Amino acid sequence: AQSVSQHNHHVILSEAASLELGCNYSYGGTVNLFWYVQYPGQHLQLLLKYFSGDPLVKGIKGFEAEFIKSKFSFNLRKPSVQWSDTAEYFCAVNGPNFGNEKLTFGTGTRLTIIP
Amino acid sequence: NAGVMQNPRHLVRRRGQEARLRCSPMKGHSHVYWYRQLPEEGLKFMVYLQKENIIDESGMPKERFSAEFPKEGPSILRIQQVVRGDSAAYFCASSPPRGRTEAFFGQGTRLTVV
Repeated sequence: AQSVSQHNHHVILSEAASLELGCNYSYGGTVNLFWYVQYPGQHLQLLLKYFSGDPLVKGIKGFEAEFIKSKFSFNLRKPSVQWSDTAEYFCAVNGPNFGNEKLTFGTGTRLTIIP
Repeated sequence: NAGVMQNPRHLVRRRGQEARLRCSPMKGHSHVYWYRQLPEEGLKFMVYLQKENIIDESGMPKERFSAEFPKEGPSILRIQQVVRGDSAAYFCASSPPRGRTEAFFGQGTRLTVV
């Protein structure tokens, strides 16, 4: 079965530190890639998405992600985190080899920012 | 434009009872997806529906679980004879009928079986 891996389960950073969260998926071919964020008590919100084109994607709140096809990766980055970035972050994939429209999620990374 | 609405937000059921979870998609969206999030796990796909049709139910348990998306009204995820292992957060998402776009999520229903 196709899968998505997020290797960092819990990341703790101080404010202003740089962030990189890893995401790898199990199979190549055409993929659509997403990062969602879930703030405490809230619904999942889309941070950014990749369908095609420039592999460096800019999202909301200063986040970006880079699609590296040869590595099956879509890592999330932010140069300087804020306390308000404390949340759970989910990488997700869909596409022809992942059941088309339905999303396959990673297990999530809990990010805690220390003021 | 209201977002995806799920109710109830919290639902407590005793073992053996039925649970009904409702999802109203965003206006103009005709595709609905249900996901389940177990403690310490990511979201797992359950079922994908369009109006009056189940498109993909490959993630649904074979017994006790069913879903519908009628022509009128919300999508319903129904769990019969609930067991403790059904305790989880259930999320609904919707997307428009065509084009490559993201799914928009509701706030989820947290089901607790006691």
